[in-house]
Amino acid sequence: ELKVEQNPLFLSMQEGKNYTIYCNYSTTSDRLYWYRQDPGKSLESLFVLLSNGAVKQEGRLMASLDTKARLSTLHITAAVHDLSATYFCAVGRGSRTGGGADGLTFGKGTHLIIQP
Amino acid sequence: DGGITQSPKYLFRKEGQNVTLSCEQNLNHDAMYWYRQDPGQGLRLIYYSQIVNDFQKGDIAEGYSVSREKKESFPLTVTSAQKNPTAFYLCASKGDLEGEAFFGQGTRLTVV
Repeated sequence: ELKVEQNPLFLSMQEGKNYTIYCNYSTTSDRLYWYRQDPGKSLESLFVLLSNGAVKQEGRLMASLDTKARLSTLHITAAVHDLSATYFCAVGRGSRTGGGADGLTFGKGTHLIIQP
Repeated sequence: DGGITQSPKYLFRKEGQNVTLSCEQNLNHDAMYWYRQDPGQGLRLIYYSQIVNDFQKGDIAEGYSVSREKKESFPLTVTSAQKNPTAFYLCASKGDLEGEAFFGQGTRLTVV
């Protein structure tokens, strides 16, 4: 059974600080997805990591993928209040490449609160 | 604008009643998915369809049914057999089976 584990599940941090969210998964997969969810809202795609060693950056967020370690990280640099949200990582079910044609398995999410 | 539309946004169900959640997309995507989200939890896959007239069970299909008669539409019925249906339901679609999924705005279902 595919398992996707995120930690921490809850994170409260101050503006201006740096922090990293970790995502471990239990199966072979060449790709991993990160999503953001605001309270009561749908999911917004942040990053699609397509291969081992992939690194993507958007503003203060940077995501990386290590397929050998089955680990992805989401790094937040100089956090600002607008980044407060819940962040999910997800891996494809079934497919060897992890693309998610058969749907995605999600972690439980990291609830991030950034305080002034 | 292209996108995924779910309706209604809020839905209330009485005990023993079947209800149907609508999901329509105009992105010309082949694959569509239904997920359930419980408070403080990640999403869990209910059903998915990679092509018209075909669909597969996900991880928590019991008590749910779907149809895929048109490419644009993938309705989800929550039957009376689903004992704990109160949740946030999200529909998604993919144009590239190996690419990212795009989500609708969700339907919040409450049993009264």
